[in-house]
Amino acid sequence: GVTQSPTHLIKTRGQQVTLRCSSQSGHNTVSWYQQALGQGPQFIFQYYRKEENGRGNFPPRFSGLQFPNDSSELNVNALELDDSALYLCASSLGGGGLYNEQFFGPGTRLTVL
Amino acid sequence: GNSVTQMEGPVTLSEEAFLTINCTYTATGYPSLFWYVQYPGEGLQLLLKATKADDKGSNKGFEATYRKETTSFHLEKGSVQVSDSAVYFCALSVSNTGNQFYFGTGTSLTVIP
Repeated sequence: GVTQSPTHLIKTRGQQVTLRCSSQSGHNTVSWYQQALGQGPQFIFQYYRKEENGRGNFPPRFSGLQFPNDSSELNVNALELDDSALYLCASSLGGGGLYNEQFFGPGTRLTVL
Repeated sequence: GNSVTQMEGPVTLSEEAFLTINCTYTATGYPSLFWYVQYPGEGLQLLLKATKADDKGSNKGFEATYRKETTSFHLEKGSVQVSDSAVYFCALSVSNTGNQFYFGTGTSLTVIP
């Protein structure tokens, strides 16, 4: 399945953070979502074969990487209090095709103080 | 734009009661529709999906029918169990946005014995 690390993280405003995700074996597409408390997940961006393949309404200080070994990273610079949320990673197969199921990890809970 | 509106919760039902969670959508293209479920401490799991009008998705006793005329995808189950207690998210994906998913805010369901 999809795994994420760390489970929980506490940072202070202005710091930088890196969240990690290990996709399901063989999947070549990873998407990242931000889920604020009591809200549905919001799409941050998607990577397909190591290239960004779509981005939601998030500023450039949110960036990502996808590696050949089915792992990926979400980096957030200059953390703000509103960045506190659950960050979800989802992997899928085949370039993010419309009918491809996304498999979600359990998420990383980020708290910014 | 693309968006999903879900019935607000929380919803509390007795075991074996009938469940309906309403979901309506707006989409710029021709969407596929999904219901995801999130159990406590876990990631989102696909519950069911429908990819064209009048399709009925079903799984584990849950059903939802893609109604284009009313832009709705209501989730139903005839007899809920305590194990169905979770948060349910309605979501859509439109082909012109790659595999970006748009989620509703979620509906928390608690089933009491």
